[in-house]
Amino acid sequence: GQQVMQIPQYQHVQEGEDFTTYCNSSTTLSNIQWYKQRPGGHPVFLIQLVKSGEVKKQKRLTFQFGEAKKNSSLHITATQTTDVGTYFCAGPVEDSNYQLIWGAGTKLIIKP
Amino acid sequence: DTAVSQTPKYLVTQMGNDKSIKCEQNLGHDTMYWYKQDSKKFLKIMFSYNNKELIINETVPNRFSPKSPDKAHLNLHINSLELGDSAVYFCASSPQLAGLLDEQFFGPGTRLTVL
Repeated sequence: GQQVMQIPQYQHVQEGEDFTTYCNSSTTLSNIQWYKQRPGGHPVFLIQLVKSGEVKKQKRLTFQFGEAKKNSSLHITATQTTDVGTYFCAGPVEDSNYQLIWGAGTKLIIKP
Repeated sequence: DTAVSQTPKYLVTQMGNDKSIKCEQNLGHDTMYWYKQDSKKFLKIMFSYNNKELIINETVPNRFSPKSPDKAHLNLHINSLELGDSAVYFCASSPQLAGLLDEQFFGPGTRLTVL
C-alpha cells in the first residue's frame, strides 16, 4: 500500500546547528504538506509544496519537493530552542481529495 | 477566537465506560476529521466527514462512532473503553476547495486516559 517514510525518527542537535528531516513516498504525490507539533501541542501547518523541484523558504526553514514528486525535505538553519517539536510531512492519498497519509514525524531535540 | 475547539481537553475514565469528545470549528470548512495520536506520536486518521457525510472510515473498532449534527461539528463517541484507547485524539478541519487538498487545522487535542 501507499507509504510515506520519514527519517530520522529523532535528531539531537546543539543549539545553532542545522537540522534536516527527509520524507519519501512510495508513490508520486500531487503535493506535500509539512506540519510542526510543539511538545504538548497540536500539529500546525507550515507549508504546502505542489510543483516538481519546488523550493520554498520561511526564514531559517527551507522546504524542497523532489523532481519526481516522491520525496521532500525540511532543513532548518541554525536551530533555536523555539524549533523544538516534531515535524511531520503528509501527502494526499491516491485518488482521494480528503485524506492525507502522514509520515511518522521527526522529533527535534535541542541539547543545552 | 478559537478556530477548532475540542472538549474536554483531558479525559480520565475507567475501562468499560462510554465517553464522548466534542469538536466544533468556526472556519466554515466543509471537511472534518478525527485523528488518534499514540504515545509514539504517530497520527492515524480515524474518520472524515464532508458536509455531514461520512467519507473516510478507517479500520477502527465499531466501539467508535462519529456523529456530525451539522458541518461545523463532529463528535466522537466511544463505547466500552479499553486500555488501548488511551491516546490523544485530535479533531481537524479543512476547506476542501475545488478538490485540492488544503491544509488541515487541528484542534488542541483531547488526552484520553483509560485506567
